[in-house]
Amino acid sequence: SAVISQKPSRDICQRGTSLTIQCQVDSQVTMMFWYRQQPGQSLTLIATANQGSEATYESGFVIDKFPISRPNLTFSTLTVSNMSPEDSSIYLCSVDDGKYGLAGTNEQFFGPGTRLTVL
Amino acid sequence: AQSVTQLDSHVSVSEGTPVLLRCNYSSSYSPSLFWYVQHPNKGLQLLLKYTSAATLVKGINGFEAEFKKSETSFHLTKPSAHMSDAAEYFCVVSAGNQFYFGTGTSLTVIP
Repeated sequence: SAVISQKPSRDICQRGTSLTIQCQVDSQVTMMFWYRQQPGQSLTLIATANQGSEATYESGFVIDKFPISRPNLTFSTLTVSNMSPEDSSIYLCSVDDGKYGLAGTNEQFFGPGTRLTVL
Repeated sequence: AQSVTQLDSHVSVSEGTPVLLRCNYSSSYSPSLFWYVQHPNKGLQLLLKYTSAATLVKGINGFEAEFKKSETSFHLTKPSAHMSDAAEYFCVVSAGNQFYFGTGTSLTVIP
C-alpha cells in the first residue's frame, strides 16, 4: 500500500486566481494520477503524470488550465489556473501499486482530496 | 473500450437486511474490477478487488462481490447492513493503468 498526503486539504479562492495542489507519496511510484470529483458526481481522470515526461491529459482537460509537475518519484503538483466557480470540486491524487521499475496489479491508492471552492 | 454502469444511483435498506449494489462492466481486455467506498468528507477506501483469481472476492467490513463474466457483472453484496455502511460506493474497471469509475451508488441505511 501507499500513504498519500495532499496539501491543502481545502481552500476557498477568488475567481481568476490559481491554486497549486501538492501530492506527496511515502514511496517511489511510477504512475501518479489526478482526478476531479465535481459536487455529487463521480471521479473523472484529469491526467496521468510520469516522472521525467510531460503529463498525459484526458479529453476535455488541457495543460494551460491544469498544469502538472512531477519532479521526482514521490511528488506531484496540480495547478488549477484562472479559476471560475465551475472549478469548485474535490481534486484527488492517486498512485498505482507498482513500485518504480515494477509492474503493479492495477490497484490505485487515493489521497484524501483537496476540496476547492471558487467564489 | 472500458466502461462501468452502476445500475442504481440510490439504494435504501433497513439495518440488518441484505445489501445489493449492482455493477455491469464493459472491457476489451480481461478486466481488473474494484469497489471503493467514500464516506462523507472522507477519502476513497478500497473495499475489494478482482484480478482474475477467484471469482468470489471477499473484502473488508463483510462485503463481497462475485465476478460473472457471462453477465459482465460485478455486484457488491453484504448479508446484513450496518448503520456505518451508509456511504457512496463506486465500481471501477481497470485496463492497463487507467481507472474508469462508475457514477456511484448512494447507500442509505434505515435504523
